[in-house]
Amino acid sequence: GAVVSQHPSWVICKSGTSVKIECRSLDFQATTMFWYRQFPKQSLMLMATSNEGSKATYEQGVEKDKFLINHASLTLSTLTVTSAHPEDSSFYICSARSGAQPQHFGDGTRLSIL
Amino acid sequence: RKEVEQDPGPFNVPEGATVAFNCTYSNSASQSFFWYRQDCRKEPKLLMSVYSSGNEDGRFTAQLNRASQYISLLIRDSKLSDSATYLCVVNRAQAGTALIFGKGTTLSVSS
Repeated sequence: GAVVSQHPSWVICKSGTSVKIECRSLDFQATTMFWYRQFPKQSLMLMATSNEGSKATYEQGVEKDKFLINHASLTLSTLTVTSAHPEDSSFYICSARSGAQPQHFGDGTRLSIL
Repeated sequence: RKEVEQDPGPFNVPEGATVAFNCTYSNSASQSFFWYRQDCRKEPKLLMSVYSSGNEDGRFTAQLNRASQYISLLIRDSKLSDSATYLCVVNRAQAGTALIFGKGTTLSVSS
């Protein structure tokens, strides 16, 4: 089946560091990728929708200058958390889909900012 | 009002019990509905889609009431391995095809 790879799976950084998370579709071309964030005991919150070659569409309340999304190819999207602070610590999950096909989720990235 | 609302539980049941989860959604234009399962500190995994006519997959039965904007999941003969968080998920009708997740209902099955 379709596979989405997310890297890294776990990252611990000092406050002020910028962190890049990669999301790759391994066996299909992802025309759309989605980035979610999940705080403990909370639901997955959609952060942004990214179409290949276009600027990402951010959800209300998500700072686009804080969370930089690049979807430069049909198999790769990146999320960069700029100048991360402890309140950015969370579980970040991407998903990808091709056309009208179902979404496939990555394994998630657990980000801890000290 | 949240786009998808669920009773967070937890539901603590013995093995073999039948348990039902409910969910409501706010966007009447939503077209696709799902139940996902999420284990602790893992990504969500699709459990089943939900169709208007209701559908069953083994011990799991899902139902949709569009008029009430209500979705349900019934688990029969609960197993220890069913312990997880069950997420009600709705496809947002506008803005592409983003999936909107409920907060999840936690199920704990004990022997």
